[in-house]
Amino acid sequence: SQTIHQWPATLVQPVGSPLSLECTVEGTSNPNLYWYRQAAGRGLQLLFYSVGIGQISSEVPQNLSASRPQDRQFILSSKKLLLSDSGFYLCAYYPLDRGTTNEKLFFGSGTQLSVL
Amino acid sequence: DAKTTQPPSMDCAEGRAANLPCNHSTISGNEYVYWYRQIHSQGPQYIIHGLKNNETNEMASLIITEDRKSSTLILPHATLRDTAVYYCIVRVRYGGNQFYFGTGTSLTVIP
Repeated sequence: SQTIHQWPATLVQPVGSPLSLECTVEGTSNPNLYWYRQAAGRGLQLLFYSVGIGQISSEVPQNLSASRPQDRQFILSSKKLLLSDSGFYLCAYYPLDRGTTNEKLFFGSGTQLSVL
Repeated sequence: DAKTTQPPSMDCAEGRAANLPCNHSTISGNEYVYWYRQIHSQGPQYIIHGLKNNETNEMASLIITEDRKSSTLILPHATLRDTAVYYCIVRVRYGGNQFYFGTGTSLTVIP
């Protein structure tokens, strides 16, 4: 069966420190992968998506970057965090396996990031 | 960029049908409409999706207008556990599958 793992669940980081959030997917091959951010009381903003290893599309210019070093691994990074980077970060995948039951976006449990 | 607009909040009495509207006037012919909901600090949960025909599953019904410029999500018998933020999303298929969430509708089911 398909699963998605995202960690850590909670993270508190000082301004100017680096960031690395990791997401892995199991049970499917070559999925589309996504990073979303949700600021407090706001909707979900698409940050990055990937259709394959090393292929990253950025939706908004920002202090963050993404990488996909392996087929089912998606990493969100920053060299120096800003206060405005605080928020709830969600990883998601869209499986490309055959079958109509798979035409859905599946989300991880999220990381609550507080930059202080 | 979000391709949908929704009312920011709605109330519904417990046991009654909740009808959540969504406008997607710029939708293209091959773009699907999806609905998800999110309970505080959790990942969004899939509800239903459709292209142009009305759809029904164990959770809800989706009514899409003939011109596909708007849709309505119907929760037939709302319960307190249906209190959540509901997102209407258009899936864009350009170089992949992009799902753009708007700000959603905060539904409160009242006892």
